Amino acid sequence: QPVLTQSSSASASLGSSVKLTCTLSSGHSGYIITWHQQQPGKAPRYLMKLESSGNYNKGGGVPDRFSGSSSGPDRYLTISNLQSEDEADYYCETWDSNTRVFGGGTKLTVL
Amino acid sequence: QVQLVESGGGVVQPGGSLRVSCAASGFTFSNYGMQWVRQAPGKGLEWVAFIRYDGSNQFYADSVKGRFTISRDNSKNTVYLQMNSLRAEDTAVYYCAKIPINSGWTDYWGQGTLVTVSS
Repeated sequence: QPVLTQSSSASASLGSSVKLTCTLSSGHSGYIITWHQQQPGKAPRYLMKLESSGNYNKGGGVPDRFSGSSSGPDRYLTISNLQSEDEADYYCETWDSNTRVFGGGTKLTVL
Repeated sequence: QVQLVESGGGVVQPGGSLRVSCAASGFTFSNYGMQWVRQAPGKGLEWVAFIRYDGSNQFYADSVKGRFTISRDNSKNTVYLQMNSLRAEDTAVYYCAKIPINSGWTDYWGQGTLVTVSS
């Protein structure tokens, strides 16, 4: 089954950009993933579906500042013009025929 | 608008049972697979169980296999998670989430219900 690896933390300044990475395990580099945002004390929120081609589809209401890209087994979430409300935990998710997997999450701090 | 509303959480003793529910509205429930995902205090998201749109197949994480059962009633637009032989490590917020038919990605989450296993 696939495994997703994320850095535990990241930080960037208000108004800058940050690129978060989710890496698929060997043999699973073609998998689609989803990115989810979890603000403090809230439920997760779907951000986007991201394919190995780099094509992505965002959920309703997700700001244009959020974008996705891919390279090999890596799936990226880029947030531009960082806002204070972007400070949150970000999780990637994927699935196989009979299992679903989450990455460990990246805690993003906006400085 | 789309809503997923979990209920049924509470405090239960180790070894006990609890059933949590997730009521759906604002979309065609029978066109979506459903899953339960949990989050222990201060921890990340952990997938628990998935059920296909028509209830024909169910899949479970190894940590709950044989103890938890996911089911759905499409006439009531509700998905359930029956939890038996509960352990302290099952303490978590339990979220339901929907997955469009013939896809795989989670596109909407409920607000969660807290289950605490403690004596």
